Amino acid sequence: AQSVTQLGSHVSVSEGALVLLRCNYSSSVPPYLFWYVQYPNQGLQLLLKYTSAATLVKGINGFEAEFKKSETSFHLTKPSAHMSDAAEYFCAVILGSSNTGKLIFGQGTTLQVKP
Amino acid sequence: DVKVTQSSRYLVKRTGEKVFLECVQDMDHENMFWYRQDPGLGLRLIYFSYDVKMKEKGDIPEGYSVSREKKERFSLILESASTNQTSMYLCASSSLSGPQGTEAFFGQGTRLTVV
Repeated sequence: AQSVTQLGSHVSVSEGALVLLRCNYSSSVPPYLFWYVQYPNQGLQLLLKYTSAATLVKGINGFEAEFKKSETSFHLTKPSAHMSDAAEYFCAVILGSSNTGKLIFGQGTTLQVKP
Repeated sequence: DVKVTQSSRYLVKRTGEKVFLECVQDMDHENMFWYRQDPGLGLRLIYFSYDVKMKEKGDIPEGYSVSREKKERFSLILESASTNQTSMYLCASSSLSGPQGTEAFFGQGTRLTVV
Protein backbone atom coordinates (compact mmCIF):
# COMPACT_ATOMS: atom_id res chain seq x y z
CA ALA A 1 0.00 0.00 0.00
CA GLN A 2 1.30 3.41 -0.96
CA SER A 3 2.12 5.44 2.15
CA VAL A 4 3.52 8.57 0.53
CA THR A 5 2.74 10.13 -2.83
CA GLN A 6 4.62 12.87 -4.58
CA LEU A 7 2.57 14.73 -7.15
CA GLY A 8 4.57 15.47 -10.25
CA SER A 9 7.66 13.54 -11.25
CA HIS A 10 9.19 16.64 -12.87
CA VAL A 11 8.87 20.28 -11.86
CA SER A 12 10.46 23.11 -13.82
CA VAL A 13 10.82 26.66 -12.49
CA SER A 14 12.73 29.76 -13.48
CA GLU A 15 15.57 31.00 -11.32
CA GLY A 16 14.13 33.27 -8.63
CA ALA A 17 10.65 31.74 -8.83
CA LEU A 18 8.80 29.94 -6.06
CA VAL A 19 9.50 26.24 -5.67
CA LEU A 20 6.60 24.01 -4.60
CA LEU A 21 7.01 20.25 -4.42
CA ARG A 22 3.98 18.30 -3.28
CA CYS A 23 3.81 15.35 -0.91
CA ASN A 24 0.80 13.57 0.57
CA TYR A 25 0.88 10.70 3.02
CA SER A 26 -1.59 8.10 4.17
CA SER A 27 -1.61 7.45 7.87
CA SER A 28 -4.29 7.35 10.52
CA VAL A 29 -1.92 8.53 13.23
CA PRO A 30 0.62 11.37 13.15
CA PRO A 31 3.70 10.27 11.25
CA TYR A 32 7.29 11.38 11.10
CA LEU A 33 7.84 13.13 7.75
CA PHE A 34 11.01 13.99 5.87
CA TRP A 35 12.32 15.60 2.74
CA TYR A 36 15.59 14.38 1.29
CA VAL A 37 17.56 15.75 -1.64
CA GLN A 38 19.82 13.90 -4.05
CA TYR A 39 22.19 15.90 -6.21
CA PRO A 40 23.51 14.23 -9.38
CA ASN A 41 25.87 11.35 -8.65
CA GLN A 42 25.57 11.85 -4.91
CA GLY A 43 23.83 10.14 -2.03
CA LEU A 44 20.72 11.36 -0.25
CA GLN A 45 20.92 14.05 2.38
CA LEU A 46 18.28 15.31 4.77
CA LEU A 47 16.65 18.66 3.97
CA LEU A 48 14.24 18.78 6.88
CA LYS A 49 12.06 16.65 9.12
CA TYR A 50 8.74 16.93 10.94
CA THR A 51 8.49 15.22 14.30
CA SER A 52 5.41 16.96 15.76
CA ALA A 53 7.28 19.80 17.49
CA ALA A 54 6.05 22.48 15.04
CA THR A 55 3.92 22.32 11.91
CA LEU A 56 6.19 24.66 9.92
CA VAL A 57 9.61 23.16 9.58
CA LYS A 58 12.65 25.01 8.30
CA GLY A 59 15.45 23.12 6.64
CA ILE A 60 18.75 23.73 4.94
CA ASN A 61 19.31 25.90 1.86
CA GLY A 62 16.21 28.03 2.48
CA PHE A 63 13.68 25.21 2.14
CA GLU A 64 10.72 24.77 4.45
CA ALA A 65 7.69 22.51 4.67
CA GLU A 66 4.35 22.72 6.41
CA PHE A 67 2.58 19.76 7.97
CA LYS A 68 -1.17 19.96 7.38
CA LYS A 69 -2.98 17.14 9.12
CA SER A 70 -6.37 18.00 7.60
CA GLU A 71 -4.91 17.65 4.11
CA THR A 72 -2.44 14.85 4.99
CA SER A 73 0.18 16.92 3.20
CA PHE A 74 3.78 17.96 3.75
CA HIS A 75 4.62 20.17 0.77
CA LEU A 76 8.14 21.54 0.31
CA THR A 77 8.64 25.20 -0.62
CA LYS A 78 11.38 27.69 -1.27
CA PRO A 79 10.59 31.35 -2.03
CA SER A 80 13.27 31.83 -4.67
CA ALA A 81 14.85 29.05 -6.69
CA HIS A 82 18.57 28.97 -7.33
CA MET A 83 20.34 27.07 -10.08
CA SER A 84 22.04 24.94 -7.44
CA ASP A 85 18.63 23.64 -6.29
CA ALA A 86 18.37 21.44 -9.38
CA ALA A 87 18.23 17.92 -7.97
CA GLU A 88 15.86 15.08 -7.17
CA TYR A 89 13.73 15.48 -4.06
CA PHE A 90 12.18 12.68 -2.06
CA CYS A 91 9.44 12.81 0.52
CA ALA A 92 9.56 10.04 3.12
CA VAL A 93 7.49 8.87 6.07
CA ILE A 94 7.80 6.75 9.16
CA LEU A 95 4.28 5.57 9.75
CA GLY A 96 2.72 6.48 13.07
CA SER A 97 1.91 2.86 13.69
CA SER A 98 5.55 1.84 13.33
CA ASN A 99 7.56 1.74 16.54
CA THR A 100 10.61 0.44 14.70
CA GLY A 101 11.32 3.37 12.36
CA LYS A 102 10.43 1.76 9.04
CA LEU A 103 11.08 4.50 6.47
CA ILE A 104 9.09 4.62 3.24
CA PHE A 105 9.85 6.95 0.30
CA GLY A 106 7.80 8.56 -2.41
CA GLN A 107 8.57 8.28 -6.09
CA GLY A 108 10.68 11.41 -6.20
CA THR A 109 10.39 14.76 -7.98
CA THR A 110 13.09 16.08 -10.26
CA LEU A 111 13.45 19.84 -9.98
CA GLN A 112 14.75 21.69 -13.01
CA VAL A 113 15.75 25.34 -12.61
CA LYS A 114 15.91 27.40 -15.78
CA PRO A 115 18.10 30.51 -16.05
CA ASP B 1 31.16 12.52 11.27
CA VAL B 2 28.53 9.88 10.71
CA LYS B 3 29.21 7.30 8.08
CA VAL B 4 27.45 4.57 6.17
CA THR B 5 29.80 2.67 3.90
CA GLN B 6 28.83 0.39 1.06
CA SER B 7 31.49 -2.03 -0.03
CA SER B 8 31.37 -1.27 -3.76
CA ARG B 9 30.35 1.69 -5.92
CA TYR B 10 30.05 -0.38 -9.09
CA LEU B 11 29.52 -4.11 -9.63
CA VAL B 12 29.04 -6.19 -12.75
CA LYS B 13 27.76 -9.73 -12.26
CA ARG B 14 26.52 -12.51 -14.48
CA THR B 15 23.00 -13.88 -14.52
CA GLY B 16 22.63 -16.65 -11.97
CA GLU B 17 25.49 -15.55 -9.76
CA LYS B 18 25.03 -15.13 -6.01
CA VAL B 19 25.75 -11.51 -5.15
CA PHE B 20 26.56 -9.97 -1.80
CA LEU B 21 26.20 -6.25 -1.12
CA GLU B 22 27.71 -5.14 2.17
CA CYS B 23 26.89 -2.12 4.27
CA VAL B 24 28.56 -0.94 7.47
CA GLN B 25 27.57 1.95 9.75
CA ASP B 26 29.58 3.45 12.58
CA MET B 27 26.79 5.20 14.49
CA ASP B 28 25.49 2.32 16.63
CA HIS B 29 22.10 2.64 14.93
CA GLU B 30 19.41 0.06 15.57
CA ASN B 31 17.80 0.36 12.15
CA MET B 32 19.31 -0.49 8.80
CA PHE B 33 17.66 -0.49 5.39
CA TRP B 34 18.23 -1.67 1.85
CA TYR B 35 16.53 0.20 -0.99
CA ARG B 36 16.75 0.00 -4.72
CA GLN B 37 16.47 3.17 -6.76
CA ASP B 38 15.11 3.12 -10.30
CA PRO B 39 14.15 6.11 -12.49
CA GLY B 40 10.53 7.09 -11.97
CA LEU B 41 10.04 4.64 -9.12
CA GLY B 42 11.87 6.44 -6.34
CA LEU B 43 13.39 4.42 -3.53
CA ARG B 44 11.69 1.11 -2.90
CA LEU B 45 12.34 -0.71 0.35
CA ILE B 46 13.67 -4.22 -0.08
CA TYR B 47 14.36 -5.19 3.53
CA PHE B 48 14.59 -3.49 6.86
CA SER B 49 16.32 -4.59 10.07
CA TYR B 50 15.47 -3.07 13.45
CA ASP B 51 17.90 -5.10 15.53
CA VAL B 52 20.57 -7.75 15.22
CA LYS B 53 19.12 -10.85 13.54
CA MET B 54 15.75 -9.12 13.19
CA LYS B 55 14.41 -8.30 9.76
CA GLU B 56 11.23 -7.26 8.07
CA LYS B 57 10.26 -7.49 4.42
CA GLY B 58 9.82 -4.26 2.53
CA ASP B 59 7.78 -3.69 -0.60
CA ILE B 60 9.93 -5.72 -3.02
CA PRO B 61 11.70 -8.58 -1.17
CA GLU B 62 11.35 -11.19 -3.92
CA GLY B 63 14.72 -12.44 -5.14
CA TYR B 64 16.58 -10.95 -2.17
CA SER B 65 17.58 -11.97 1.32
CA VAL B 66 19.45 -10.19 4.08
CA SER B 67 21.71 -10.92 6.97
CA ARG B 68 22.41 -8.94 10.13
CA GLU B 69 24.71 -10.85 12.43
CA LYS B 70 26.29 -7.73 13.94
CA LYS B 71 24.72 -4.38 14.72
CA GLU B 72 26.98 -2.42 12.42
CA ARG B 73 26.69 -4.62 9.33
CA PHE B 74 23.74 -5.34 7.06
CA SER B 75 24.18 -7.50 3.99
CA LEU B 76 21.90 -7.79 0.98
CA ILE B 77 22.06 -11.08 -0.91
CA LEU B 78 20.84 -11.75 -4.42
CA GLU B 79 20.47 -15.52 -4.41
CA SER B 80 20.54 -15.84 -8.20
CA ALA B 81 21.07 -12.53 -9.95
CA SER B 82 18.80 -11.65 -12.84
CA THR B 83 18.92 -8.81 -15.34
CA ASN B 84 15.85 -7.16 -13.78
CA GLN B 85 17.90 -6.66 -10.63
CA THR B 86 20.17 -4.23 -12.45
CA SER B 87 19.74 -1.10 -10.37
CA MET B 88 21.21 1.33 -7.86
CA TYR B 89 21.17 -0.10 -4.34
CA LEU B 90 21.20 2.22 -1.36
CA CYS B 91 21.88 1.31 2.25
CA ALA B 92 20.78 3.51 5.13
CA SER B 93 20.76 3.49 8.92
CA SER B 94 18.81 5.34 11.57
CA SER B 95 18.06 5.46 15.26
CA LEU B 96 14.83 6.24 17.06
CA SER B 97 16.65 7.92 19.92
CA GLY B 98 19.38 10.47 20.49
CA PRO B 99 20.00 13.85 18.85
CA GLN B 100 19.74 12.41 15.36
CA GLY B 101 16.70 10.34 16.19
CA THR B 102 14.68 9.15 13.15
CA GLU B 103 17.00 10.76 10.58
CA ALA B 104 18.33 8.20 8.12
CA PHE B 105 21.91 8.37 6.86
CA PHE B 106 22.72 6.95 3.48
CA GLY B 107 25.65 5.31 1.84
CA GLN B 108 26.85 6.40 -1.59
CA GLY B 109 25.11 3.54 -3.33
CA THR B 110 26.15 0.50 -5.33
CA ARG B 111 25.32 0.47 -9.01
CA LEU B 112 24.81 -3.18 -9.89
CA THR B 113 24.69 -4.37 -13.48
CA VAL B 114 23.64 -7.95 -14.17
CA VAL B 115 24.61 -9.19 -17.62
